[in-house]
Amino acid sequence: GDSVTQMEGPVTLSEEAFLTINCTYTATGYPSLFWYVQYPGEGLQLLLKATKADDKGSNKGFEATYRKETTSFHLEKGSVQVSDSAVYFCALSLPTSYDKVIFGPGTSLSVIP
Amino acid sequence: GAVVSQHPSWVICKSGTSVKIECRSLDFQATTMFWYRQFPKQSLMLMATSNEGSKATYEQGVEKDKFLINHASLTLSTLTVTSAHPEDSSFYICSAQDSYSNQPQHFGDGTRLSIL
Repeated sequence: GDSVTQMEGPVTLSEEAFLTINCTYTATGYPSLFWYVQYPGEGLQLLLKATKADDKGSNKGFEATYRKETTSFHLEKGSVQVSDSAVYFCALSLPTSYDKVIFGPGTSLSVIP
Repeated sequence: GAVVSQHPSWVICKSGTSVKIECRSLDFQATTMFWYRQFPKQSLMLMATSNEGSKATYEQGVEKDKFLINHASLTLSTLTVTSAHPEDSSFYICSAQDSYSNQPQHFGDGTRLSIL
C-alpha cells in the first residue's frame, strides 16, 4: 500500500548547523508530497509542498525536491535556529483517495544554542 | 488564509461520558473533512473521512459506534467519542479540504482528550 518512511529521530543539532531529514515514499499513483511541522502542543502546519516530479518546495529557509526516480522528498535547511525545534512529518496525498493524507512517523528535531 | 477551527482544544472528563469535538472551516466550504488521532510521540493516524451529507468512511480497525462522525453542513464536522474510557485519551486533529480549490488540506490545532 501507499506509505511514507522517514529517518529515525530524535535529531539534535547545534544552532546554524545544516539539516537533512530523509523521506521516501511508496505510492501507486502520482502523489503530491508535503512536509508538515508540529510545534509542541500544537496542531500541524504545512511547511512546504511539491505536486510533481522535480518540483522544489521551499518556505522559511527549508527546501525539498520531489525526486520521482528515487521516490524521495528530503527536507533540508542550511542553517537551523532554536525556533526550528519541532516534529517534522513527511506526507503524501493521492487525488484518487479524496486527497487522503498519509503521514510518515515524524522526526523530532531539537536545536540547541 | 484558510482556517480550520477545532473546539474544544482540551477536555478532561470522567470515564463513561461522551465527548463531542467540533471542526469548522471558517472561510471556505469543505465537502470532505478528515479526523486523525495522534498518540504521544507518534504520527497521525487517519480515523475516518467525513463526507458532507452522507456517512463517514472509517479506516480499518476504527470502531464506528465508538467514534460517531456527523458532517451536517459544508463548514462543520463533529466527532463524538461515545462512552469514553482512558484508552481513548489522545490528541485528535481534524483537517478540511476546500471544495473549490486544489490546495492542500488545512489542519485544526487539535483537541487533547483526557479520560479519567
